[in-house]
Amino acid sequence: DVKVTQSSRYLVKRTGEKVFLECVQDMDHENMFWYRQDPGLGLRLIYFSYDVKMKEKGDIPEGYSVSREKKERFSLILESASTNQTSMYLCASSYQTASNSPLHFGNGTRLTVT
Amino acid sequence: GEDVEQSLFLSVREGDSSVINCTYTDSSSTYLYWYKQEPGAGLQLLTYIFSNMDMKQDQRLTVLLNKKDKHLSLRIADTQTGDSAIYFCAESYRDDKIIFGKGTRLHILP
Repeated sequence: DVKVTQSSRYLVKRTGEKVFLECVQDMDHENMFWYRQDPGLGLRLIYFSYDVKMKEKGDIPEGYSVSREKKERFSLILESASTNQTSMYLCASSYQTASNSPLHFGNGTRLTVT
Repeated sequence: GEDVEQSLFLSVREGDSSVINCTYTDSSSTYLYWYKQEPGAGLQLLTYIFSNMDMKQDQRLTVLLNKKDKHLSLRIADTQTGDSAIYFCAESYRDDKIIFGKGTRLHILP
């Protein structure tokens, strides 16, 4: 079974802090994704990566950056957290491209920025 | 642009069948997926269908795809309390995009 592990289930941070959300997958998947989930807005893609050291912007990259130094790990960075970044963050991975293999999700990190 | 639409809520009595519907706009999809999200958890892949199929059955789950009407459905037979969750329909495309619906919250009545 694919396991995608997000390091924290809940995080509370202050406005202006730098925040790191970590995600690790154990199935040697090429592709990794970060989404945020908000009521009424569904899932929105922030960034994705098709290979180590590669990153691509998704639909809402503003205020975020990512890092993929190793194949199994994909980090989401909030350079200066703001209250509008309070959300549920979901990491996912897939074996091949999104057009021909399903995404496998972690359990999510609920981030509150105060 | 591409869009995936689902109704937001569905209530079903325990033991009945649940049918969750999804419509999409772009006909160039490759795979269509159903994911389940339980409270406080991530999305769990339930089942998927390739776009050249019209039906797939997996135990209590039946997926129907009508390409002409751009309509996808998930039927859950003998609905149980453990089926209470949010169900997401998703479509993938040849340009490697994947589009999610906003989810249908399934509520089970005793």
